[in-house]
Amino acid sequence: EAQVTQNPRYLITVTGKKLTVTCSQNMNHEYMSWYRQDPGLGLRQIYYSMNVEVTDKGDVPEGYKVSRKEKRNFPLILESPSPNQTSLYFCASSLSGTEYGYTFGSGTRLTVV
Amino acid sequence: SQQGEEDPQALSIQEGENATMNCSYKTSINNLQWYRQNSGRGLVHLILIRSNEREKHSGRLRVTLDTSKKSSSLLITASRAADTASYFCACPAPGGSYIPTFGRGTSLIVHP
Repeated sequence: EAQVTQNPRYLITVTGKKLTVTCSQNMNHEYMSWYRQDPGLGLRQIYYSMNVEVTDKGDVPEGYKVSRKEKRNFPLILESPSPNQTSLYFCASSLSGTEYGYTFGSGTRLTVV
Repeated sequence: SQQGEEDPQALSIQEGENATMNCSYKTSINNLQWYRQNSGRGLVHLILIRSNEREKHSGRLRVTLDTSKKSSSLLITASRAADTASYFCACPAPGGSYIPTFGRGTSLIVHP
């Protein structure tokens, strides 16, 4: 089944403890992106990648890192999480930029205390 | 930066009625997409309309695009309770980004 898999689905962590949210797609998509969703703010883009080793900042990149060493994987790294990073995170992938629809993962609900 | 904005923010209708949601955007685009999100779950791609298309259909969905007004609408005909969800439009960010940006969405409730 064609899908984007995020892990974990739920995560509660403490301030400052490094964490990684994994994202993997099995559709050989070039483009991948991370979004966070907060009430009243909609989805905001964190980072995106157009291909292996090619990443760029979105609208809210502060406090996040990403890497794209393989085409299928696009992990989101929070080096020192803070409570304002409590949010619902989505990974998405597409065959090619905005010419095709994006396939979204099921989301990761992160709480930083 | 955000490109599209949906209107209204919330919509409540009875089953069987039609639901219309609108999206306005700021700068020229090559295409526009609509997505649905059931509560707390991942977004699902519904339809993509290109700038040279005026109208597109998919089942009970009808999407229009008016590039002169920089607006799009999503019409759901004969709505069902299962259509209850948030609906988002997505456009390339200003400056020609290849990654779509999303509005805040329209929350649709369809009462049985």
